[in-house]
Order: sequence, then C-alpha cells, then structure tokens
Amino acid sequence: GNSVTQMEGPVTLSEEAFLTINCTYTATGYPSLFWYVQYPGEGLQLLLKATKADDKGSNKGFEATYRKETTSFHLEKGSVQVSDSAVYFCALITEPNTGNQFYFGTGTSLTVIP
Amino acid sequence: EAGVVQSPRYKIIEKKQPVAFWCNPISGHNTLYWYRQNLGQGPELLIRYENEEAVDDSQLPKDRFSAERLKGVDSTLKIQPAELGDSAVYLCASSLVGGAWGTDTQYFGPGTRLTVL
Repeated sequence: GNSVTQMEGPVTLSEEAFLTINCTYTATGYPSLFWYVQYPGEGLQLLLKATKADDKGSNKGFEATYRKETTSFHLEKGSVQVSDSAVYFCALITEPNTGNQFYFGTGTSLTVIP
Repeated sequence: EAGVVQSPRYKIIEKKQPVAFWCNPISGHNTLYWYRQNLGQGPELLIRYENEEAVDDSQLPKDRFSAERLKGVDSTLKIQPAELGDSAVYLCASSLVGGAWGTDTQYFGPGTRLTVL
C-alpha cells in the first residue's frame, strides 16, 4: 500500500545549524510529494512540493529533491532560525482512482534554540 | 483573502453525545477535505468533496460519522454518538482543482480540537 515514513523527533538544533529531516515513501504509480509545516497554534501550511522525479522543491531556504531511485524526499535547510521551530509533515498524493490517495507522515517536531 | 475557517476551535463533550464541526473553504475552491489528526500523528483523510459530491469517503466511519456540503461551499462534519476514541483534531482543507493530481495545493484551516470525556 501507500505510506510515508518520517524520521522521528523531536529534533533540537542550535540556530544556524544544518537541518535534515528524512522522508521515504511507498506508493503505486507516480506520486507527487509535499512538505507541510505547522507552526504552534496554526494550521498546516504547504512548504514545498515536487511533482515528478528529480524535481527540487524549495521555499524559505528549505529544499527537497524527489528521488525516485531511493523513494525519498528529504527536507534540508542550510542554516535554521528560531522561527523555523514547528512540526514538519511529509506527504504524498497518488494518482487518481487508486482509493485513499492522500497520505501524511507522522510529523517531525523541530525546535531551534538561540 | 480569508483562509479556511473552522468552528468551533475547541469542543469538549461527554461520550455518546453528538457533535458537529463547520468549515468554510477559501472562496472559489471547489474541493473540500476533512481530516482527522490524532495526537502525534499525521492527518488522515476522512472524506473529500468535489463541489457538493462526496468523491472519496472510504475512510469515513459511516456508522457514526456523517458529512454534508449541500451547496458546494461550506461543509459540516457530524459525529453521533461520540466515543472516547474520537478525541482528535479535525482539520478541514480546500483546494482549487481536485482533479489535477500533484498540482493542487491544499489550504488547511486551524482545526477543531475535540475532547470526548
């Protein structure tokens, strides 16, 4: 079946550290991949997305590359800030007519300390 | 532009009581989603509407859950009767085009946190 597996948190980093949050997936067909972020007290917001293999999504200094060969979509940022503290969700959407098409990972909590 | 609006933000009820959640999507968005998010988990899709038609309700526990989107705009999700295990955050999201998979961005509301005692 279809699923998303994220690295477990919580993750605590110092400001300006390098961030990697791993995400791997299992899916039939050719899914599109997303990273959503949830800041404290707010709803989920799309951070970035990639719709086909080798695409790189980027936003606010975050990047993720759709790797079909390793079925991965790891989130990276070169220098995190305190304001990046949030919960990050990896998600995929499969092709239509395959039943339940939307899958989210369990989320990874990130805390950035000054 | 207003985002996805949900109400109430919090609800505490006793088990076996009914409860309803309301969602108003972003204006012009034809696709609406209801998700349930348990503590420490990612959202799980309950039902998806395209306009007023429920096109995917395979994960909706139909014995106690129901949803409607009568005019293809706002939507309500109901639980009757509620059970202890229904305690979760119920999220509503909307997107502009539901059929173009992979290109739609879902915009989420803040959610309704339900506690069943």
